[in-house]
Amino acid sequence: DAGITQSPRYKITETGRQVTLMCHQTWSHSYMFWYRQDLGHGLRLIYYSAAADITDKGEVPDGYVVSRSKTENFPLTLESATRSQTSVYFCASSELAPGLDEQFFGPGTRLTVL
Amino acid sequence: KNEVEQSPQNLTAQEGEFITINCSYSVGISALHWLQQHPGGGIVSLFMLSSGKKKHGRLIATINIQEKHSSLHITASHPRDSAVYICAVRSVYSGGGADGLTFGKGTHLIIQP
Repeated sequence: DAGITQSPRYKITETGRQVTLMCHQTWSHSYMFWYRQDLGHGLRLIYYSAAADITDKGEVPDGYVVSRSKTENFPLTLESATRSQTSVYFCASSELAPGLDEQFFGPGTRLTVL
Repeated sequence: KNEVEQSPQNLTAQEGEFITINCSYSVGISALHWLQQHPGGGIVSLFMLSSGKKKHGRLIATINIQEKHSSLHITASHPRDSAVYICAVRSVYSGGGADGLTFGKGTHLIIQP
């Protein structure tokens, strides 16, 4: 199906474990983003990518790693999960840079770190 | 740093009422987005605007660049409009980077039948 998908939708893990959240889009959009959403905060940018093999840090990158070997995929890895990384994670994509184009959001992944 | 403030934080209204949600920001912007997040969690883009007014169905978004303020209006509100509405802005200081959106915390709207 066309669109932007995330997997898994729900994940429970333990402190110290490595976790990878997947994001896939079928539009061949150039830009992809990872956000986290927490109570009391607006969406906060973790990492973004302007094209394949080009990634950069956002507002809250510590503890996360990303890669973008293919235009359509943008996985987010928590190298050693901590309780503070319990959150809802949203992936998004757009053809143009923010402010020039709307962003399309995935359904979100709810991650709980015990 | 650009601050984005939304008001009210929570709003409960009766079906049919005219709804206004406000967004204020602190620095110059090149664009403002309104997003809708449904109770199930999905986020969709409603509007992107840099001046004036846009309308889509019962939704109207306006922006006043000089006053650094935008409003989202819903006419003839319906229970299916119940959602969190999020304002996001791109600062003019972001240059060509892709990291420029700053999000408000959202307005939680409930429309009662």
